[in-house]
Amino acid sequence: KQEVTQIPAALSVPEGENLVLNCSFTDSAIYNLQWFRQDPGKGLTSLLLIQSSQREQTSGRLNASLDKSSGRSTLYIAASQPGDSATYLCAVVNAGNMLTFGGGTRLMVKP
Amino acid sequence: KAGVTQTPRYLIKTRGQQVTLSCSPISGHRSVSWYQQTPGQGLQFLFEYFSETQRNKGNFPGRFSGRQFSNSRSEMNVSTLELGDSALYLCASSQGAGRYGYTFGSGTRLTVV
Repeated sequence: KQEVTQIPAALSVPEGENLVLNCSFTDSAIYNLQWFRQDPGKGLTSLLLIQSSQREQTSGRLNASLDKSSGRSTLYIAASQPGDSATYLCAVVNAGNMLTFGGGTRLMVKP
Repeated sequence: KAGVTQTPRYLIKTRGQQVTLSCSPISGHRSVSWYQQTPGQGLQFLFEYFSETQRNKGNFPGRFSGRQFSNSRSEMNVSTLELGDSALYLCASSQGAGRYGYTFGSGTRLTVV
């Protein structure tokens, strides 16, 4: 059974810092890995999708990497802003067409 | 193009009642999945439908059911509501298989009193 873990569970940083969020998974037979952002009480917004054959994806200030063999992914956020404050979730897709989510990292960026 | 639409946004129901939630996927997407989000359990997979067929089901009691119509819209039903069913219910649509990624709706907040 796939298990996804995100570390840290919460993170508080001053504005302008670069930061890294970590995600690990136990079963490396994944189709892809997707990073999401969730604002309080809202749905999930997709940030980046990395296919199993890819090593990284970039979008603006965000960069996600994937090391399938070691079961790890990182989400790098450059020059953080208060608007980046949210919960960040990683999820993997195995056979079965379902997402398995980590518990999330709650990020607070202080002005 | 329009995103994933979930209705209603909020619901308050009494224990023992039943409830139906609706999800309209992105146009052209044939896969619809449902997830339950609670503070204690996080996000958990309920079921996935593709072309009106349930392809996969999570570990939830039979009180949770769903269906998909020919236009890909999906409904989820919960019967005999319990307090523990209070949660944010999220719907996700995909082109056909998970490898294309998922787009989520804004969710339905269900409160059972």
